[in-house]
Amino acid sequence: DQQVKQNSPSLSVQEGRISILNCDYTNSMFDYFLWYKKYPAEGPTFLISISSIKDKNEDGRFTVFLNKSAKHLSLHIVPSQPGDSAVYFCAAGKLGNEKLTFGTGTRLTIIP
Amino acid sequence: DAGITQSPRHKVTETGTPVTLRCHQTENHRYMYWYRQDPGHGLRLIHYSYGVKDTDKGEVSDGYSVSRSKTEDFLLTLESATSSQTSVYFCAMGAGTQLYNEQFFGPGTRLTVL
Repeated sequence: DQQVKQNSPSLSVQEGRISILNCDYTNSMFDYFLWYKKYPAEGPTFLISISSIKDKNEDGRFTVFLNKSAKHLSLHIVPSQPGDSAVYFCAAGKLGNEKLTFGTGTRLTIIP
Repeated sequence: DAGITQSPRHKVTETGTPVTLRCHQTENHRYMYWYRQDPGHGLRLIHYSYGVKDTDKGEVSDGYSVSRSKTEDFLLTLESATSSQTSVYFCAMGAGTQLYNEQFFGPGTRLTVL
């Protein structure tokens, strides 16, 4: 029972354009969402988060949007840079529960 | 500035042998986690710890055991390795004091079971 889904295994975007990574969830009890970025042969690193009471959070080139009614969140990267090529995982959590539920990941490739 | 390390980074073993992976953190974080990463499955939680000697199962705990005798060390043991346990294993830590449970990951251990 995959509670957090990333339906696109891969995505290719030209350098300078916008990258949009999507994530869907089924459990309406999640209180917050996180995005992680992972390079080959390294562990995932935290990128950006959003509370379930907000619909947008921005940090530099990265913006996460949350649509609670659709149980959908997306990560926008603009402009995309070659260093953004990585696997991106979305994760969801509940307050008071120290576990996260991760999605399956999307491999983003930025084309120079 | 690695606050969390894993050893070994790579291991090849044979079916039926016991294997222990080690995770070491220097941040004094309360929570520690073991995940496995497999194509098409993302990161799946194996076991986690919420304190010394306090551990609990994750979603894919069968065939794995863990121990945490010190805050800084979290061991994952495969009692009798099987080919289905070939994977990349990540350890993570979390302070548990922030609004969001931001977890910090180690570099991973690539395990191959022949």
